[in-house]
Amino acid sequence: EVQLVESGGGLVKPGGSLRLSCAASGFTFSSYSMNWVRQAPGKGLEWVSSISSSSSYIYYADSVKGRFTISRDNAKNSLYLQMNSLRAEDTAVYYCASSHIAAEYFDYWGQGTLVTVSS
Amino acid sequence: EIVLTQSPATLSLSPGERATLSCRASQSVSSYLAWYQQKPGQAPRLLIYDASNRATGIPARFSGSGSGTDFTLTISSLEPEDFAVYYCQQRSNWPLATFGGGTKVEIK
Repeated sequence: EVQLVESGGGLVKPGGSLRLSCAASGFTFSSYSMNWVRQAPGKGLEWVSSISSSSSYIYYADSVKGRFTISRDNAKNSLYLQMNSLRAEDTAVYYCASSHIAAEYFDYWGQGTLVTVSS
Repeated sequence: EIVLTQSPATLSLSPGERATLSCRASQSVSSYLAWYQQKPGQAPRLLIYDASNRATGIPARFSGSGSGTDFTLTISSLEPEDFAVYYCQQRSNWPLATFGGGTKVEIK
């Protein structure tokens, strides 16, 4: 069974930093692209970042480019999102999602971790 | 950026009724469109990919159709567990994946 478990969310002040982690199990992590998708409270879904299986290709939404860094450790079956210079508009539940059917679809999702940016 | 517009925003139906949800793209996305279901407090779940292919474990009452700019998700007969929010997502201009604003299917 595919499992994705996010951690690292919390309350942070504007301008601060946070590192999210996603622990994967139940599939060959090193074979699939991984993604972060977020959802602001009461709002819709927004794609944030993606990383290919070997980290050769990395992509970011314009809204986070230059502030967020995605990475993965295939030996540890883990995905990360380093978030710097956080803003109030980054407040959201952050989901880790894997792409099995195609790199651009989000087949399996974690339960999400809430990031709140507030003074 | 490709904008996806979903309609209606809310659909009020009774169990057993047929639900028809629409997703319109601002430019052609070919068949590179997916549908997701999200229940309150839960993560989204992939239902349909490439416009008409059901994901693993998705019941046959869910079907997708369309190509180009106009897409439809149909739930042939609503079950109590189908009342949720549904999102469409395009991958045509990857890596700039975008989602629609969602359609809430609520119990009438």
